[in-house]
Amino acid sequence: QKEVEQNSGPLSVPEGAIASLNCTYSDRGSQSFFWYRQYSGKSPELIMSIYSNGDKEDGRFTAQLNKASQYVSLLIRDSQPSDSATYLCAVFSGGGADGLTFGKGTHLIIQP
Amino acid sequence: NAGVMQNPRHLVRRRGQEARLRCSPMKGHSHVYWYRQLPEEGLKFMVYLQKENIIDESGMPKERFSAEFPKEGPSILRIQQVVRGDSAAYFCASSQTGFGNQPQHFGDGTRLSIL
Repeated sequence: QKEVEQNSGPLSVPEGAIASLNCTYSDRGSQSFFWYRQYSGKSPELIMSIYSNGDKEDGRFTAQLNKASQYVSLLIRDSQPSDSATYLCAVFSGGGADGLTFGKGTHLIIQP
Repeated sequence: NAGVMQNPRHLVRRRGQEARLRCSPMKGHSHVYWYRQLPEEGLKFMVYLQKENIIDESGMPKERFSAEFPKEGPSILRIQQVVRGDSAAYFCASSQTGFGNQPQHFGDGTRLSIL
């Protein structure tokens, strides 16, 4: 059973600070990793994708991947109240499994 | 609107009725995925389809659930004889190819409520 684990939170971060979201996955052969943002009652929105070890930056967002530790993280710099949402970590394992495996999400609250 | 289109947004059914959920992928996308999100649960993969083919249905319940993606028209997720436990948000996603490095883009979902 392929699993993706996230701390459900809520994670409370003051406005302007760095929010750090973490995710671990069980399938060592996993190939692609995605972060989605989901506002309450809305659809998941793709924030970042990362495929190789290291950091990938896009604006205020940085994704980090460590395949040896089976760990992926998302950093949000200069956090804004509009960043308050649930962040979903998703993993594509391949090997005949064609869907993404999602974590349950971390609820992030940015305090003004 | 070039995004993934799902309808209806909300669907109410009584136990024992049938539910039909529709999904049109993004323009240029020919790969469709269905996911279910139960309250307080994560998104769970159900089925992956290309035009006229079911590629992976490993996440589909064995009974009452079926999916299709015909040559013409939207993908359909069909739930027969619905039960209370089918109440959930059903999301459709699409991608340009079926390769795992292609991000999946989600529609707004259908919220299914069973009375």
